[in-house]
Amino acid sequence: ELKVEQNPLFLSMQEGKNYTIYCNYSTTSDRLYWYRQDPGKSLESLFVLLSNGAVKQEGRLMASLDTKARLSTLHITAAVHDLSATYFCAVETSGTYKYIFGTGTRLKVLA
Amino acid sequence: DAGITQSPRHKVTETGTPVTLRCHQTENHRYMYWYRQDPGHGLRLIHYSYGVKDTDKGEVSDGYSVSRSKTEDFLLTLESATSSQTSVYFCAISDFAIADHTGELFFGEGSRLTVL
Repeated sequence: ELKVEQNPLFLSMQEGKNYTIYCNYSTTSDRLYWYRQDPGKSLESLFVLLSNGAVKQEGRLMASLDTKARLSTLHITAAVHDLSATYFCAVETSGTYKYIFGTGTRLKVLA
Repeated sequence: DAGITQSPRHKVTETGTPVTLRCHQTENHRYMYWYRQDPGHGLRLIHYSYGVKDTDKGEVSDGYSVSRSKTEDFLLTLESATSSQTSVYFCAISDFAIADHTGELFFGEGSRLTVL
């Protein structure tokens, strides 16, 4: 059974600092997704990572995937308050079309 | 934005009553999903569908049933609601089965259910 673990669960950081969120998963998969959720809102897609070594960047966020280590990272560079949200990774269990989510990382960026 | 509509958006009901949540899509995507979101648990998959009349269980399917009689509609039913089913329910669709798909999930706005 696929398990997806994120850490940290909570992250409070100062504006301008860098930090990394980690997403580990337990079984083979080549597809990993990152989503953002603002309080009381739905989830919006941030990154789609479809192969080993994939790296995607959007603004101050960069996501990468290492399928051999079963690890994805979401790196935040020079955080700003607008990045405050909950971030989820999700893994598609190969060939089943089922997506399992991590428990989320609640990020708070302090001015 | 992906055309996904959930209804009702908010519902309060009593223990033991049946409840049906509806997800309607205009994207003609084959794959549809129901998740529940609870503090400390993230999103957990309840059921999903890979075509009309084709459904399968997810991580937390007990107490829930689903139906999909048309491509555009995916219904989630709680036959006899319990307080433990108080949650926010999200419907999602995926572009699997489309050429050059990414498998990205697109979410509805959510349905907040309170069972008293």
